[in-house]
Amino acid sequence: NAGVTQTPKFQVLKTGQSMTLQCAQDMNHNSMYWYRQDPGMGLRLIYYSASEGTTDKGEVPNGYNVSRLNKREFSLRLESAAPSQTSVYFCASNTQGDGANVLTFGAGSRLTVL
Amino acid sequence: AQSVTQLGSHVSVSEGALVLLRCNYSSSVPPYLFWYVQYPNQGLQLLLKYTSAATLVKGINGFEAEFKKSETSFHLTKPSAHMSDAAEYFCAVSESGGYQKVTFGIGTKLQVIP
Repeated sequence: NAGVTQTPKFQVLKTGQSMTLQCAQDMNHNSMYWYRQDPGMGLRLIYYSASEGTTDKGEVPNGYNVSRLNKREFSLRLESAAPSQTSVYFCASNTQGDGANVLTFGAGSRLTVL
Repeated sequence: AQSVTQLGSHVSVSEGALVLLRCNYSSSVPPYLFWYVQYPNQGLQLLLKYTSAATLVKGINGFEAEFKKSETSFHLTKPSAHMSDAAEYFCAVSESGGYQKVTFGIGTKLQVIP
């Protein structure tokens, strides 16, 4: 099983450029998440989708948009990239009701904004 | 609101010594608690979880954690550190009951000295 697949793994952007990070899971999970990881700040939730057709803001949504394309796919878009968005981005998924809310993570996408 | 505090962003231990990584949580309802591990350039993997069954939880690679409600703590321990334990460890909390997001601590980097 592939689990959670993120693309691209690495990306360099110039300030003001746009891009979309793609995420897909093959575990039939209902919920999907986007986190960013920065040194000394741990993982911070950007957006999440509790179920297909719904999306909600997390802690740090400014500058980002998301689309839950279908049950498998959840994309993160940067409309006008800023240096402050230089980070490692992780997609994760889970299914509520398994009693524990355990997350399965992708390998990460390292984004640098110049 | 739920939150997690990890004491010590960097911990160094000698190979063979006890590993103790500290985590305190805040939650208004009975929590689910987790420890995740992240090896360099990888995503996070679940190490262990507490879901209100046994208060002493055993995980992979010889790690365990004890839930102490009176201290609002969920410290991670391993009796004897191995070089392969060098990684970053994240404590996380999720409130039980229905759909809830998972909130992470800032992480603790464990260095194992030969």
